[in-house]
Amino acid sequence: GNSVTQMEGPVTLSEEAFLTINCTYTATGYPSLFWYVQYPGEGLQLLLKATKADDKGSNKGFEATYRKETTSFHLEKGSVQVSDSAVYFCALLDTGRRALTFGSGTRLQVQP
Amino acid sequence: GAVVSQHPSWVICKSGTSVKIECRSLDFQATTMFWYRQFPKQSLMLMATSNEGSKATYEQGVEKDKFLINHASLTLSTLTVTSAHPEDSSFYICSAFRGMQEKLFFGSGTQLSVL
Repeated sequence: GNSVTQMEGPVTLSEEAFLTINCTYTATGYPSLFWYVQYPGEGLQLLLKATKADDKGSNKGFEATYRKETTSFHLEKGSVQVSDSAVYFCALLDTGRRALTFGSGTRLQVQP
Repeated sequence: GAVVSQHPSWVICKSGTSVKIECRSLDFQATTMFWYRQFPKQSLMLMATSNEGSKATYEQGVEKDKFLINHASLTLSTLTVTSAHPEDSSFYICSAFRGMQEKLFFGSGTQLSVL
């Protein structure tokens, strides 16, 4: 079946540091890939997505590239801010069932 | 603003009681909603797919008699945890597709603690 593996947290960085959160997946077919973010006390929000190999999703300075050869979708940001502190979830979409398979989430803490 | 409202955000109950969690789509109709469960430091696991006007589809290993799902209208799905036990303590979260945009929106989740 489908599965998503992402690095364990928490990840603690200083403001303006470079961020990478690793995500790899196992799936049949060609799933769409997503990063969701959950800020304290709020629901999950879509951060970015990619629907096919070599696509790059980007939003709010975050980027992730769909790498089919390495089955990865790593999240990166060049310069993090305190406001980026949140839990980040990598997910893939089973297009047939329209249901998401999530990774375990990675908590990011950015210190001023 | 939130497009999917989930209530309550947290609940504490005694073992053996039942707890109902509501998930509402605020400004769109959702024929399909999804219920997830998350244990600490683990993934969100899909529990069931809630279909308006028909029976929910449960994932393997999820007890349908324990986790009752009702999707009686196009804007409301409810999850009832019946005869709750401490092992049911978890974070429950719902989601719904906004059909025209084909975007998936999530509720803010419900933290259930069973004493």
